[in-house]
Amino acid sequence: ETGVTQSPTHLIKTRGQQVTLRCSSQSGHNTVSWYQQALGQGPQFIFQYYREEENGRGNFPPRFSGLQFPNYSSELNVNALELDDSALYLCASSLLKTDTDTQYFGPGTRLTVL
Amino acid sequence: AQSVTQLGSHVSVSEGALVLLRCNYSSSVPPYLFWYVQYPNQGLQLLLKYTSAATLVKGINGFEAEFKKSETSFHLTKPSAHMSDAAEYFCAVSSTGGGNKLTFGTGTQLKVEL
Repeated sequence: ETGVTQSPTHLIKTRGQQVTLRCSSQSGHNTVSWYQQALGQGPQFIFQYYREEENGRGNFPPRFSGLQFPNYSSELNVNALELDDSALYLCASSLLKTDTDTQYFGPGTRLTVL
Repeated sequence: AQSVTQLGSHVSVSEGALVLLRCNYSSSVPPYLFWYVQYPNQGLQLLLKYTSAATLVKGINGFEAEFKKSETSFHLTKPSAHMSDAAEYFCAVSSTGGGNKLTFGTGTQLKVEL
């Protein structure tokens, strides 16, 4: 069974650019959540996708957007990058989206904005 | 709204000593609580979760946590620390009816000394 994978591992961008991060869910999982983890902080919920539809969003501006594909893989897009967007971006998949369903995290993508 | 507070951003113990990492929660509805561990340059791994079935929850690697409603706490313990336990630990909460979107604490860095 393959776990959650994310690409790329590291990324360096400049202010104002756009970035796309990718996530492959664990086999059989139809729910994907994205989190932003700034240095020294806990992860913060960005949004969740369930069967290709957005299923909840945290306190992030619209320039953070996402997609989920029919194979349940997912993308996180960030437009007009700002310095504060520098963080570890974590993807997590779960079998379901119920309250207690365990989320399985990928290793993350480290984004640096210069 | 829901939140968790982790007391102590850094905890240091000797190898073989008791590990106690503190987590207090705030939630307007019955909470579900989780402990995750993060090793350097890795994603988060679930240690254990409270889903209201039993107040004392046993997890992986010898960790356990007890849900105490009267104290709004969910502290993580391990009787005897091992060098391999050195990592960052995050407490997280999801809420009844809110799906499995997680709100994380700021984390506790555990150091284990010889």
